[in-house]
Amino acid sequence: AQSVTQPDIHITVSEGASLELRCNYSYGATPYLFWYVQSPGQGLQLLLKYFSGDTLVQGIKGFEAEFKRSQSSFNLRKPSVHWSDAAEYFCAVGYSGNTPLVFGKGTRLSVIA
Amino acid sequence: EAQVTQNPRYLITVTGKKLTVTCSQNMNHEYMSWYRQDPGLGLRQIYYSMNVEVTDKGDVPEGYKVSRKEKRNFPLILESPSPNQTSLYFCASRAGGPLSEQYFGPGTRLTVT
Repeated sequence: AQSVTQPDIHITVSEGASLELRCNYSYGATPYLFWYVQSPGQGLQLLLKYFSGDTLVQGIKGFEAEFKRSQSSFNLRKPSVHWSDAAEYFCAVGYSGNTPLVFGKGTRLSVIA
Repeated sequence: EAQVTQNPRYLITVTGKKLTVTCSQNMNHEYMSWYRQDPGLGLRQIYYSMNVEVTDKGDVPEGYKVSRKEKRNFPLILESPSPNQTSLYFCASRAGGPLSEQYFGPGTRLTVT
């Protein structure tokens, strides 16, 4: 079965530091890959997505993600974290047709001064 | 404004008392789904619908029912709620196709005592 793994449950970074959130997926072909962010008390918002083309994808709020087929990974990065980035981040995988998205368990990001 | 709305946002109920959580979207999306979010488990899909009168089970359908009589509405029904259904519930919709952005509602916090 397809699966998504986010190895880090909770990450704390200092404001202004760089960030990388890890995501690995299990699937035979190239999936559709997504990163969502959930701010406290809010629903989920799409940060970026990838299916084909350039393996480095730019998203909103200064985030980017890189698809690495050899590692089955789609890690999310940001060069300089802001306090407002504190939230929970979910990696998700979709497949062909109308099959539902499969979500990872999420990584909670805390930002300290 | 494009949005997914859910009602109620908060609900406390007792075991066995039937309840319905409504979900409505104003984007004419074909695809709608319900998720529950629990600490450490991420988002798990309950049911999804690819169009009117077309619904299918997700990963955790037990104890839930859905209906899709109109394109815009996708209510979640708990016929006999139990404490293990205490959770945060999200409704989501997308236009169709796996690369379409999925829009999430604000969530419904349900407590079953």
